[in-house]
Amino acid sequence: GAVVSQHPSRVICKSGTSVKIECRSLDFQATTMFWYRQFPKQSLMLMATSNEGSKATYEQGVEKDKFLINHASLTLSTLTVTSAHPEDSSFYICSASRLGLTNTGELFFGEGSRLTVL
Amino acid sequence: DAKTTQPPSMDCAEGRAANLPCNHSTISGNEYVYWYRQIHSQGPQYIIHGLKNNETNEMASLIITEDRKSSTLILPHATLRDTAVYYCIVRALGAGGTSYGKLTFGQGTILTVHP
Repeated sequence: GAVVSQHPSRVICKSGTSVKIECRSLDFQATTMFWYRQFPKQSLMLMATSNEGSKATYEQGVEKDKFLINHASLTLSTLTVTSAHPEDSSFYICSASRLGLTNTGELFFGEGSRLTVL
Repeated sequence: DAKTTQPPSMDCAEGRAANLPCNHSTISGNEYVYWYRQIHSQGPQYIIHGLKNNETNEMASLIITEDRKSSTLILPHATLRDTAVYYCIVRALGAGGTSYGKLTFGQGTILTVHP
């Protein structure tokens, strides 16, 4: 099946620094990727929709200047957490929809990236 | 997208069938029922989806009631590795655009498979 890969899987950073997380579709092209955040013992919450070649669409309450999203190619989207603070510590997960797949297909999720801000 | 209701937790003995229910009484005619699961500290994994007919694949079976207001995910022979949070999601699939692929996750059902 299709594979979506995230890197890094774990990252620890100091407060005030920026962290970049990559999401790659390994064997298919993805016009759209989605970024989710999951706090401990909670469900996934959609942060933003990343569209190749255009600006990302952010969900209500998500700061676009803090969570920078770039979708420069059909196989790569990046999420940069700028000036990270301890409250940004979370599990970040991306998913991708496959170009050309009929609208009844499943979404493919990455393995997730656990960010810890000290 | 329509909301779903799932029991917060369920137990199942290893080797037995696990039947996970989901209510989606406000589902619309163009909404599919999707099931995903999330094993601890991993990304969600697709299991199965359906519109109105029952579906079966190598992982599970999906039984959708005739009125489509509820469904049941069946894991025929549960193993310890099936312990996870199971999410039932209903989603309308329109003419592409940014809504395609956007999933709204509820709290899901924590399935614990015990020896």
